[in-house]
Amino acid sequence: EVQLVESGGGLVQPGGSLRLSCAASGFTFSTYAMTWVRQAPGEGLEWVSGISGSGGRTYYADSVKGRFIISRDNSKNTLYLQMNSLRAEDTAVYYCAKEVHHSSGWSAFDYWGQGTLVTVSS
Amino acid sequence: DIQMTQSPSSLSASVGDRVTITCRASQSINNYLNWYQQKPGKAPKFLIYAASSLQSGIPSRFSGSGSGTDFTLTISSLQPEDFATYYCQQSYSTPLTFGQGTKVEIK
Repeated sequence: EVQLVESGGGLVQPGGSLRLSCAASGFTFSTYAMTWVRQAPGEGLEWVSGISGSGGRTYYADSVKGRFIISRDNSKNTLYLQMNSLRAEDTAVYYCAKEVHHSSGWSAFDYWGQGTLVTVSS
Repeated sequence: DIQMTQSPSSLSASVGDRVTITCRASQSINNYLNWYQQKPGKAPKFLIYAASSLQSGIPSRFSGSGSGTDFTLTISSLQPEDFATYYCQQSYSTPLTFGQGTKVEIK
């Protein structure tokens, strides 16, 4: 059974940093790209960042580029999101999700964690 | 960036109703369109991929169609557990983008 468990959320002051983790199990972690999606309170879903299975390719939304760093440790089956220079607008539930890619080109997020809440406030 | 626009933003329906949600992309995305269901306080759940293919374990009352810029999600006979918010998402290019969501409420 695929399981994704996020941790590391909490209250942080504007300008501060936080590192989120996502522990994965139930699948061959290194084979799959992974992603972070966030949801501000009462709002919709926003893709934040993605990383290839090897970790060699990373992708970011413009809203976090230069501030957030996605990484993974395939020996620990864990995905990370280092969040720096945090702003009030980064307040959200952060979900990690496993990606599935097809040879025809499409991809999707087939499994999601339960989310971890990040609150940026003084 | 590719903008995804869903309509309506919300709808009220009764159990047994046929429900259709529309998603429009700001440019052609072939069939690189996915649908997710989210219930309050829960993570999104993957429903449909490549515009019309049902994810394993999803009831057959859910279906998707479309290609290019216009897509639809249809629930053929709404069940009590289907009251939720539905999101479309394009995987054609980064940044990957979602529609703003359609909330399906009980009439």
